[in-house]
Amino acid sequence: QVYLVESGGGVIQPGGSLRLSCEASGFTITSYGMHWVRQVPGKGLEWVAVILYDGNNKYYVDSVKGRFTISRDTSKNTVYLQMNNLRAEDTGLYYCGRDSTVTRASLGYWGQGTLVTVS
Amino acid sequence: EIIMTQSPATLSVSPGERVTLSCRASQSVTINLAWYQQKPGQPPRLLIYGASNRAIAAPARFSGSGSGTEFTLTIDGLQSEDFAIYYCQQYKEWPLTFGGGTKVEIK
Repeated sequence: QVYLVESGGGVIQPGGSLRLSCEASGFTITSYGMHWVRQVPGKGLEWVAVILYDGNNKYYVDSVKGRFTISRDTSKNTVYLQMNNLRAEDTGLYYCGRDSTVTRASLGYWGQGTLVTVS
Repeated sequence: EIIMTQSPATLSVSPGERVTLSCRASQSVTINLAWYQQKPGQPPRLLIYGASNRAIAAPARFSGSGSGTEFTLTIDGLQSEDFAIYYCQQYKEWPLTFGGGTKVEIK
């Protein structure tokens, strides 16, 4: 059974930093691309970042480039999102997602999310 | 980046009806298109990948079609548990992008 559990969200002032964690179980993160997707409550979905299965290739949405860094610890089967210089527009529910089994970059598994409030 | 546009924003339908949702890409994504369903308080759930392939847990009443820039999600015989928001997403290139969503509500 695949599980993704996010943590690390909270209330932070503009300009501050947070590190989100996504603990995975039921599979190894070295086999799948792992994503962060955010959603302002009541609004749509915005993809934020991915770390591919090889751990070397990472991609970001333009609005977070230079401020956010995705990384992983394979010994803990955990993916991280380091968020620096946070802005009000970074507020939202941050979901961790995993590539589906059948095709890369469609998200077949999601966590319940962790809420980040920049205020 | 590829812009995904969904229409309509809201659809009011009665249970049992056939529903068609549209998604348009600003440039060709070939068949690198997924559909998700999201209910209140829940994360999205993958329904369709590769434009027309049902995910394992997706009911057979859901079907997807299209290629290039025009895509459709059809729900044949809408059931009460299908009232939700539906998003399309392209995975042809980075950054991944989602459409704004179509809310299917009870008429």
